[in-house]
Amino acid sequence: DVQMTQSPSSVSASVGDRVTITCRASQDIRGWLAWYQQKPGKAPKLLIYAASTLQSGVPSRFSGSGSGTDFTLIISSLQPEDFATYYCQQANSFPPLFGPGTKVDIK
Amino acid sequence: EVQLVESGGGSVQPGRSLRLSCAASGFTFDDFAMHWVRQVPGEGLEWVSGISWNSGNIDYADSVKGRFTISRDNANNSLYLQMNSLRPEDTAFYYCVKDMDDFGDYRFDYWGQGTLVTVSS
Repeated sequence: DVQMTQSPSSVSASVGDRVTITCRASQDIRGWLAWYQQKPGKAPKLLIYAASTLQSGVPSRFSGSGSGTDFTLIISSLQPEDFATYYCQQANSFPPLFGPGTKVDIK
Repeated sequence: EVQLVESGGGSVQPGRSLRLSCAASGFTFDDFAMHWVRQVPGEGLEWVSGISWNSGNIDYADSVKGRFTISRDNANNSLYLQMNSLRPEDTAFYYCVKDMDDFGDYRFDYWGQGTLVTVSS
C-alpha cells in the first residue's frame, strides 16, 4: 500500500498568513493526489484533485502543486473560514489512503 | 445540487449486523461510482468500500473484507452497506461519497453528512 504522511501535524496561523502544508507518498503516485478540508462536525470537502486542479467553487487562495512523491497545499492568505483540518489522499492505486491530517488553528 | 443523505446508523452490540443506506440526488446516479469512507470520531479518514456505476467492480478495505457488502440500486438512486460481524473497532462516522468517474478512480467530489455507527456491549 502507498503510505501518506503530512507535515506539519498542526499549525497555528493568523488571518492573512500564507500557510503551506506538505504531503509525501511512500511511492510514486504521479499526479494522483487530492486535498480535502474538514471543519469540526462536518463532512470533508474536496478542494483540489489531480494535485493542482481546483474543484469548482473553491476560492483561488487555495493552490496545489507537486508530482511523484512530494506535494504541497498552499493557502495564500488565510481567512477565518479556513481554520480546519486538511487531508491529502492518493488516488493512484488501491487502496486509496488518506494522510493523517494537518490542523490549522488560530494563533 | 448534489445531495447524499445517509441513514441506518446506531448503536449495536459486537457480532451483530447493521445496514446503512444513502439516498442520492442532484446528479445522474448511475453515471458514477460510489464509496463508503469512515472516520473514528476525532481521528483520520479510512476508505471502506467502493462500487462502480454498474456494480461490476467492487472493492473493500482489508479491515472489512468478508464482513461488509456494498451494493447499489440505480433505479432508486441508493447506495447501501451491509455490515455483519461488527467489531468495536468499526465504531465510526460512515460517509457516503460520490466518485468523479463511472468505474471509480478514487477522486471523491461529494460527501454526505455521515451517520454514526457505535459498536459496544
